Amino acid sequence: LAKTTQPISMDSYEGQEVNITCSHNNIATNDYITWYQQFPSQGPRFIIQGYKTKVTNEVASLFIPADRKSSTLSLPRVSLSDTAVYYCLVAPMDSSYKLIFGSGTRLLVRP
Amino acid sequence: GAGVSQSPSNKVTEKGKDVELRCDPISGHTALYWYRQSLGQGLEFLIYFQGNSAPDKSGLPSDRFSAERTGGSVSTLTIQRTQQEDSAVYLCASSSGYQTTDTQYFGPGTRLTVL
Repeated sequence: LAKTTQPISMDSYEGQEVNITCSHNNIATNDYITWYQQFPSQGPRFIIQGYKTKVTNEVASLFIPADRKSSTLSLPRVSLSDTAVYYCLVAPMDSSYKLIFGSGTRLLVRP
Repeated sequence: GAGVSQSPSNKVTEKGKDVELRCDPISGHTALYWYRQSLGQGLEFLIYFQGNSAPDKSGLPSDRFSAERTGGSVSTLTIQRTQQEDSAVYLCASSSGYQTTDTQYFGPGTRLTVL
């Protein structure tokens, strides 16, 4: 299983764009990259998933360079409600594997 | 139902007692997962079910932990002879497919405190 490394914490201000980068140097050919968000006292929630290049949805964008050894979650114009822990996961599309959640990145958005 | 539900939301028990935690997945979801999250930590995988069978129990911390799922729906996680180190939030998730890339929908969790 590919190991992921992401910053422990980040601070930002309302209205700014936030980019959280995750390193996964030993990502395998059939691995996908998925990001989850967790608010205090709640279970994680799926944000976005990608394999290569760029993926965008109504919540975020995910940028994956050609070598796929890292990925960047981009949150446009954050608000206070984006304060949460963000987890980067790398897993193959294979039912025999379990998802491994690391410690995540704790994002604090200030007024 | 609209989402994954778990009960109880909070459980306080004494060391040595048994506890049962319940998870109701989203209707029709075939895959069900249990995780544990200690204070300020990431999620620790415990077990997952495909239908009623559990192909991967490797995350269960000890033989005091067991889980079952009946009728392909509700699941129960049982912890026998609880210890203080079992104190954590226990999260359940379900997904419509068997692949790990299928979106997992999480419940609110059960906060277990062992005194």
